[in-house]
Amino acid sequence: SAVISQKPSRDICQRGTSLTIQCQVDSQVTMMFWYRQQPGQSLTLIATANQGSEATYESGFVIDKFPISRPNLTFSTLTVSNMSPEDSSIYLCSVEDLGGGYIDTQYFGPGTRLTVL
Amino acid sequence: KNQVEQSPQSLIILEGKNCTLQCNYTVSPFSNLRWYKQDTGRGPVSLTIMTFSENTKSNGRYTATLDADTKQSSLHITASQLSDSASYICVVSAGSNFGNEKLTFGTGTRLTIIP
Repeated sequence: SAVISQKPSRDICQRGTSLTIQCQVDSQVTMMFWYRQQPGQSLTLIATANQGSEATYESGFVIDKFPISRPNLTFSTLTVSNMSPEDSSIYLCSVEDLGGGYIDTQYFGPGTRLTVL
Repeated sequence: KNQVEQSPQSLIILEGKNCTLQCNYTVSPFSNLRWYKQDTGRGPVSLTIMTFSENTKSNGRYTATLDADTKQSSLHITASQLSDSASYICVVSAGSNFGNEKLTFGTGTRLTIIP
């Protein structure tokens, strides 16, 4: 199974600033994803981070607000830009691993808890 | 629209007791159903994954069932322990098993075990 680390684990930021979250995986993976989990809600997919090309964003999420980088098969960053209190959430990195079988398993990082004042 | 509904929203039981969490879904085309456990402040951890042809799968004290005809799943926890206190999330995958899958997440059941 993939081991995923995220930095920072939590942060408190001022309105209008930006925060970059890092995701590091201990093995090369094809698929990496970024999710948001707002308080009391379930997970919502923000985008799929594609290695060497632009990320694929879900409806309601745009690159200007959530720029994503994926320079290689083990690392990705998500930036939350021009933050507002509505961006206060847990942001989770996830990877997909076939694990030698035919069904992918998604592994999640520990999350980054963001509070915007 | 693909949807996953879980019940109850929250549950409190005594340590050592059993409990069952429910998941109903309307996801098409169905690929597989997963149960995740999410401890407070942590990312979700996979408990079980079931395909269309599987109707039960166990992982220690956790047993998941799947009825693809009624589009229902349950997660049964036996002899609960304090460490079982967490949110349990039902996730249904639509699409093929060979990529391009779309996951629909339930809102979870918040389980609290009290001594």
